[in-house]
Amino acid sequence: EAQVTQNPRYLITVTGKKLTVTCSQNMNHEYMSWYRQDPGLGLRQIYYSMNVEVTDKGDVPEGYKVSRKEKRNFPLILESPSPNQTSLYFCASSLMAGPWEQYFGPGTRLTVT
Amino acid sequence: EDQVTQSPEALRLQEGESSSLNCSYTVSGLRGLFWYRQDPGKGPEFLFTLYSAGEEKEKERLKATLTKKESFLHITAPKPEDSATYLCAVPLGAGSYQLTFGKGTKLSVIP
Repeated sequence: EAQVTQNPRYLITVTGKKLTVTCSQNMNHEYMSWYRQDPGLGLRQIYYSMNVEVTDKGDVPEGYKVSRKEKRNFPLILESPSPNQTSLYFCASSLMAGPWEQYFGPGTRLTVT
Repeated sequence: EDQVTQSPEALRLQEGESSSLNCSYTVSGLRGLFWYRQDPGKGPEFLFTLYSAGEEKEKERLKATLTKKESFLHITAPKPEDSATYLCAVPLGAGSYQLTFGKGTKLSVIP
């Protein structure tokens, strides 16, 4: 089944404890992206990747890191999480070399205390 | 300055009562406008891409249209299962692969 998977789905952590949220797609998609969704602010793009080893900043990249060492995986790294990074995170991918017709993952709900 | 503005924020319709959702945009050199549907607690699901003014796309009870300044998502004879938040998004200016979303319209269809 064609899909975007994220792990974990739910995570509660403490300020400053490094964490990684994994994202994987099995569709050989070129473009991958991370978003966060907050009430009243909507979906905002954090980082995106056009292909392996090619990443770029979105609207809200501060406090996040990404890497794209393999085409199928695009992990999101929070080196020192803070409470303002509490949010619902979505990974997405697109067959095209751009944000067209994206498939979204099921989301990761992160709480930082 | 918001590049994408959706209205209304929320809309309640009786089953069968047709209406339209609006998405206005200010990016120059539009390279595509996307509509997504999002159910509570789930990731957005792609609906349509529109590329140029005058273009229309249809899927079941939904029809998306595009002008030079805005897009409409028309919902004809909606059913309760059409209840969701509808999001529109556009890539930023020429050469950018960054995507910006509107804040969405939450549609509730009452039986």
